[in-house]
Amino acid sequence: EVQVVESGGGLAQPGGSLRLSCAASGFTFSDHNMDWVRQAPGKGLEWVGRTRNKGNSYTTEDAASVKGRFTISRDDSKNSLYLQMNSLKTEDTAVYYCARESKKEYYYGSWSYYYYMDVWGKGTTVTVSS
Amino acid sequence: DIQMTQSPSSLSASVGDRVTITCRASQSISNYLNWYQQKPGKAPNLLIYAASSLQSGVPSRFSGGGSGTDFTLTISSLHPEDFATYYCQQSYSIPSITFGQGTRLEIK
Repeated sequence: EVQVVESGGGLAQPGGSLRLSCAASGFTFSDHNMDWVRQAPGKGLEWVGRTRNKGNSYTTEDAASVKGRFTISRDDSKNSLYLQMNSLKTEDTAVYYCARESKKEYYYGSWSYYYYMDVWGKGTTVTVSS
Repeated sequence: DIQMTQSPSSLSASVGDRVTITCRASQSISNYLNWYQQKPGKAPNLLIYAASSLQSGVPSRFSGGGSGTDFTLTISSLHPEDFATYYCQQSYSIPSITFGQGTRLEIK
């Protein structure tokens, strides 16, 4: 079964740190870009960041709201994705989802690449409060 | 960043109704548009990618359309399990992915 399972959420104080993990199974993890998406209580979805696959040099990208505070990494030997969260703020309180990114290629005279998140975990809850 | 605006923000409908949700991008994104469904307490689920391609396993009553800045998600005949929140998401401006604010579909 293709799945991703997040862990590591919990309560942290403002200014504190947490490390989230995401364990993947049922697919070739190293082939895929992987994303973190969060959802604050009662709010919509917010993209946090991405780590690309080996073929894309493991490049990482993140949202402006977490830049310099959060670090995304992966370990293909363990089929795992990580999110190191430092300098936490109360506004980081959210459910954090790990998501697999897949790609579809179409040829319309030149190649076009469409990316989408097709496998999601159940999420892990992070609460930042004093 | 590209802003995605969905309308309406909420919608009441009945089982069997045809429903259309709109998503507008702040600039042209060609057809780099995905749709997700999220039920309370659950993770999002991919419905449509590349504006109109149906994800494997998704019922054919769901369809997507549009290009440029204006997109639609249509449910041809609502089933009870379709009452959920729907999000559009642009994948044009990689790496900066953005989602719409969501449309909550409720039972009338």
